[in-house]
Amino acid sequence: NAGVTQTPKFQVLKTGQSMTLQCAQDMNHNSMYWYRQDPGMGLRLIYYSASEGTTDKGEVPNGYNVSRLNKREFSLRLESAAPSQTSVYFCASSVATGPQPQHFGDGTRLSIL
Amino acid sequence: RKEVEQDPGPFNVPEGATVAFNCTYSNSASQSFFWYRQDCRKEPKLLMSVYSSGNEDGRFTAQLNRASQYISLLIRDSKLSDSATYLCVVINSGGNQFYFGTGTSLTVIP
Repeated sequence: NAGVTQTPKFQVLKTGQSMTLQCAQDMNHNSMYWYRQDPGMGLRLIYYSASEGTTDKGEVPNGYNVSRLNKREFSLRLESAAPSQTSVYFCASSVATGPQPQHFGDGTRLSIL
Repeated sequence: RKEVEQDPGPFNVPEGATVAFNCTYSNSASQSFFWYRQDCRKEPKLLMSVYSSGNEDGRFTAQLNRASQYISLLIRDSKLSDSATYLCVVINSGGNQFYFGTGTSLTVIP
């Protein structure tokens, strides 16, 4: 029972490189989310997908793009990585948006030099 | 003003103590509230929802005070395994914005 799976677990990039973070859930959830977590800032929502075929901006979308590939998968892309995007990235899913608890993957630690 | 604010702590308490955390929110129309627990270098995990009437799960009690716009988490009879960071989450009335607090660090000391 994997829940939410993120790949890779760790990555180091150079400024300007591109990269896609992958997320898949096996709980048949409709909604999926991407967050970043920085010291002293807490978790901040980057993008979310309320249901298959839809995506919406969260609090900090600049510099990122997302794709809801199907109901299971939601990817996050950095087109031109910047040092300010060094962070821990978490993917989460829930049955639906609204008053529903979210289940998190174990994170991707991304460093941009 | 931040949507959600928490005292970062750290709270260092002896085993068996009772400890309480608060989390204040700025939007009076906020709809739903949760407490999560996050261990060092791990993902957040749902601890409990917060209901208007207050709710209890074993040693943990969550309460909502809409008039003063805060939620609280009370932990009784603290265990070493309770050491973690506790995050509050506030969801707006539209159900499409989710605000996490920065977390309160708890260390339970033998």
